[in-house]
Amino acid sequence: DGGITQSPKYLFRKEGQNVTLSCEQNLNHDAMYWYRQDPGQGLRLIYYSQIVNDFQKGDIAEGYSVSREKKESFPLTVTSAQKNPTAFYLCASAQGYEQYFGPGTRLTVT
Amino acid sequence: KQEVTQIPAALSVPEGENLVLNCSFTDSAIYNLQWFRQDPGKGLTSLLLIQSSQREQTSGRLNASLDKSSGRSTLYIAASQPGDSATYLCAVGADSNYQLIWGAGTKLIIKP
Repeated sequence: DGGITQSPKYLFRKEGQNVTLSCEQNLNHDAMYWYRQDPGQGLRLIYYSQIVNDFQKGDIAEGYSVSREKKESFPLTVTSAQKNPTAFYLCASAQGYEQYFGPGTRLTVT
Repeated sequence: KQEVTQIPAALSVPEGENLVLNCSFTDSAIYNLQWFRQDPGKGLTSLLLIQSSQREQTSGRLNASLDKSSGRSTLYIAASQPGDSATYLCAVGADSNYQLIWGAGTKLIIKP
């Protein structure tokens, strides 16, 4: 059963804590992406990786970090430096321009 | 810088009507344009991808058109159903690094 999974679905954290969001894919895609979605706005790119052990900053990378040690996995860490971390986070893997999305993680920081 | 706009932000129509969703982009030098569907609190599902050399793509009751010269795409939904209620987003493939530029989406409500 091929697809892309994100966990957890909901995540609650206190301000000042780092938190890591999981993203796994078994589609054998080289490229993976992290987006942030806020109400009434389009998706904004946080980080992307086109190959294992390499990743690039997107438009809003400040306060976030990623790793890409395995082709299947692209975890995102939301650090305490991110000023407004409460949002819906979407992970995608891609073959060329065709992106396939996970179900998302809703992060609430209080 | 490429910008993608979707107007209106929300649309409500009675069941059975045919409808059109709009997407506009500022730079006609695109590789492709995609339409996605997003149900509340869920991830995105790709509906249609139109390459820059194509004028339209069809899938079931959905038809997407692309006019690069005017910077516009439309998504036509025939015989709308309550199950079509969702947010529809368009995204433009605008560079050779496979990055997508996203519109904010149109929230569609089909009233039974």
